[in-house]
Amino acid sequence: EAGVAQSPRYKIIEKRQSVAFWCNPISGHATLYWYQQILGQGPKLLIQFQNNGVVDDSQLPKDRFSAERLKGVDSTLKIQPAKLEDSAVYLCASSPSERSNSPLHFGNGTRLTVT
Amino acid sequence: GESVGLHLPTLSVQEGDNSIINCAYSNSASDYFIWYKQESGKGPQFIIDIRSNMDKRQGQRVTVLLNKTVKHLSLQIAATQPGDSAVYFCAEGKRASGTYKYIFGTGTRLKVLA
Repeated sequence: EAGVAQSPRYKIIEKRQSVAFWCNPISGHATLYWYQQILGQGPKLLIQFQNNGVVDDSQLPKDRFSAERLKGVDSTLKIQPAKLEDSAVYLCASSPSERSNSPLHFGNGTRLTVT
Repeated sequence: GESVGLHLPTLSVQEGDNSIINCAYSNSASDYFIWYKQESGKGPQFIIDIRSNMDKRQGQRVTVLLNKTVKHLSLQIAATQPGDSAVYFCAEGKRASGTYKYIFGTGTRLKVLA
């Protein structure tokens, strides 16, 4: 099966600019996650979708971050305006269902550098 | 607060030796545990998982041990190879507010010495 696809792979922007990341999960996976991974740390959950609904966005900095999954498939994560501390790898993951314990499948991420 | 931590940030082993990577978790309600391998420039890759009704699970060259009494998880890699060099993360999963949530540890870097 095809894996989780993310684009772009790299992005360099200046602070206060905006940026958007795209994710296409594994076909049929109902649950989609966006994680932020700062260098040297483990992934930190930003937002979790079940189909097209948000089930957890408690750690999403909502003053600058937004995410959507309009048709319950692809998702976009946006940052506006970006800050220096947003420099990180943004990982998208998917799993078949939020209700069962099953491993998350990750994409290769988008590496964001804010200068 | 809740945390998933690792005892050793960097582990160096000789090629051919066995590796043991440890992880401590703090939430006794966690009932599902996963080990991931992350190579440079790539996303975390699933290695093996274990549910809380088990204390050991084996895969190809890997074994995960779960000790719920002391909230400890370990990943054993047999006959470590250069291709095993990577950062390894443990993750704990638990049901909360009707969803399944996963918390990742900070990671251990495994270096395989030739």
